[in-house]
Amino acid sequence: EAQVTQNPRYLITVTGKKLTVTCSQNMNHEYMSWYRQDPGLGLRQIYYSMNVEVTDKGDVPEGYKVSRKEKRNFPLILESPSPNQTSLYFCASSRDRYSYNEQFFGPGTRLTVL
Amino acid sequence: AQTVTQSQPEMSVQEAETVTLSCTYDTSESDYYLFWYKQPPSRQMILVIRQEAYKQQNATENRFSVNFQKAAKSFSLKISDSQLGDAAMYFCAYRRGYQKVTFGTGTKLQVIP
Repeated sequence: EAQVTQNPRYLITVTGKKLTVTCSQNMNHEYMSWYRQDPGLGLRQIYYSMNVEVTDKGDVPEGYKVSRKEKRNFPLILESPSPNQTSLYFCASSRDRYSYNEQFFGPGTRLTVL
Repeated sequence: AQTVTQSQPEMSVQEAETVTLSCTYDTSESDYYLFWYKQPPSRQMILVIRQEAYKQQNATENRFSVNFQKAAKSFSLKISDSQLGDAAMYFCAYRRGYQKVTFGTGTKLQVIP
């Protein structure tokens, strides 16, 4: 089954404790992206990747890191999480650079930083 | 920078009636794509419909259609014969090539039986 998976689905952590949210897709997609969703703000793009070893900042990259060492994986790293990073996070992928490609979304990760 | 505006935080519609959700955007580009995504309570993001900016014909997908006004930079979603399963958050999104994707703030649609 074609899908985007994220782990963990739920995470409660404390300020300053490094964490990684994994994202994997099995569709051989070139483009991958991370979003955060907050009430009243919609989805905001954190980082995106056009292909292996190619990443770029979205609208809200501060406090986050990403890497794309393999085509299928695009982990999101919070080196020192803070309470303002409490949010719902989505990973998404699409086939290639063409704009008409819809994005396929993972199920979301609910992160709480205390 | 591209911006996407959804001015209706909440909307309601009677079952079997028609409802229109509005979306406006700002861009200096001429070639881009617009999308409507649905997010039900399960939180899963589901593509509803997409529109290519260079096509004048409005996209349709069964009960869902758009009114795309390129000059006005408007991209509204019309849902006909509304069903209880249409209740969800709806997000409008703009995308161009490899560039970042911009979403609106969403419209919560309630369907009244």
